[in-house]
Amino acid sequence: DAGVIQSPRHEVTEMGQEVTLRCKPISGHNSLFWYRQTMMRGLELLIYFNNNVPIDDSGMPEDRFSAKMPNASFSTLKIQPSEPRDSAVYFCASSLRDYGYTFGSGTRLTVV
Amino acid sequence: DQQVKQNSPSLSVQEGRISILNCDYTNSMFDYFLWYKKYPAEGPTFLISISSIKDKNEDGRFTVFLNKSAKHLSLHIVPSQPGDSAVYFCAASTGKLIFGQGTTLQVKP
Repeated sequence: DAGVIQSPRHEVTEMGQEVTLRCKPISGHNSLFWYRQTMMRGLELLIYFNNNVPIDDSGMPEDRFSAKMPNASFSTLKIQPSEPRDSAVYFCASSLRDYGYTFGSGTRLTVV
Repeated sequence: DQQVKQNSPSLSVQEGRISILNCDYTNSMFDYFLWYKKYPAEGPTFLISISSIKDKNEDGRFTVFLNKSAKHLSLHIVPSQPGDSAVYFCAASTGKLIFGQGTTLQVKP
């Protein structure tokens, strides 16, 4: 298994532009999580899905952030419009059981 | 509102000595605790865990201790090796994982 696959690995964009981050979870995993890593707050949970349904999006910072999971093998996190303070590393993770999270390698987002 | 806190951003120890990483939490409903390890340019990977009904779990060089009354857990690495140099995240769960800010461990040869 290739693990959790995220794309792109790096993204540099201008303030105001739309950014879309992509994630392919491990086949058979039924939960998917989006985290953001910053120096100040560590790993923040943004949103998670169970069986493709959003369960908890209380961590999504603003309406500029949205996430979708149209099927069991794909999820997107979109930021529109992007701002410099959104610069961070965004991780996707998937799991089959409650505690067995497998993380992707992350997308490093820089908004200039 | 940071429910899981790692108050030490960094720790440096000599190879062969003990590394102790600490973590505090505020939510008494957490029922499972985990430690993840993260190398640069990689995602976090699971290291060791402990259920709230236990106070110690050991796996080779790694031991996690849980003090529920103090809402505190710690990770002990004995002996520390240079390859252990990484960022260590503490996490707690009530069904979803809440992570701390991380502690960067440097093990010097």
